Amino acid sequence: DARVTQTPRDKVTEMGQEVTMRCQPILGHNTVFWYRQTMMQGLELLAYFRNRAPLDDSGMPKDRFSAEMPDATLATLKIQPSEPRDSAVYFCASAVVISQSGTEAFFGQGTRLTVV
Amino acid sequence: AQKITQTQPGMFVQEKEAVTLDCTYDTSDPSYGLFWYKQPSSGEMIFLIYQGSYDQQNATEGRYSLNFQKARKSANLVISASQLGDSAMYFCAMREGGLGGTASKLTFGTGTRLQVTL
Repeated sequence: DARVTQTPRDKVTEMGQEVTMRCQPILGHNTVFWYRQTMMQGLELLAYFRNRAPLDDSGMPKDRFSAEMPDATLATLKIQPSEPRDSAVYFCASAVVISQSGTEAFFGQGTRLTVV
Repeated sequence: AQKITQTQPGMFVQEKEAVTLDCTYDTSDPSYGLFWYKQPSSGEMIFLIYQGSYDQQNATEGRYSLNFQKARKSANLVISASQLGDSAMYFCAMREGGLGGTASKLTFGTGTRLQVTL
């Protein structure tokens, strides 16, 4: 049963610490998204990649956030230094997108981040 | 400007009844896709249904159907014969096609919380 895998599921950290969230997209999917979900802002797109290249990371605070895909099986989202306002659920999703067609994005179960 | 608008923060429906969750969208791209996702209290995002902008017929998936009115830019989700397990947050999302598939990010609405009652 193919699924997007995110680790860790839950993370509690102190303000100022570095946080790294990992995502294993579904094998064969060429597009990976990072979303952040909060009560106030809902689901916000932070960044997304096509064939490991970043296409859009305009939703991401550049001074502290970074997203990479070191290889096709791993996407990472890093926050350094973390702040309490970063507390949220971070979702990774992957999809197959070819030309102008595309399929639904499959979501991981999310990483619940709490920064104290 | 909001790309996806869901005007109903919360909805109630009785078990076995049908319910319509509203979604309107805004795009100038002729090629786009519309999606509905369900998020139960456990937190995962579950894909429900997809409608492409060039699709002639409304999409259906089991008890879910999408009432696609292109001229009005609406893509309402209809759930027939509601079940208690349908209680969840429902998100409408849009993927804009762009040229050569260089776009395709998914933009989500704010969601509608559906509560199914006995």
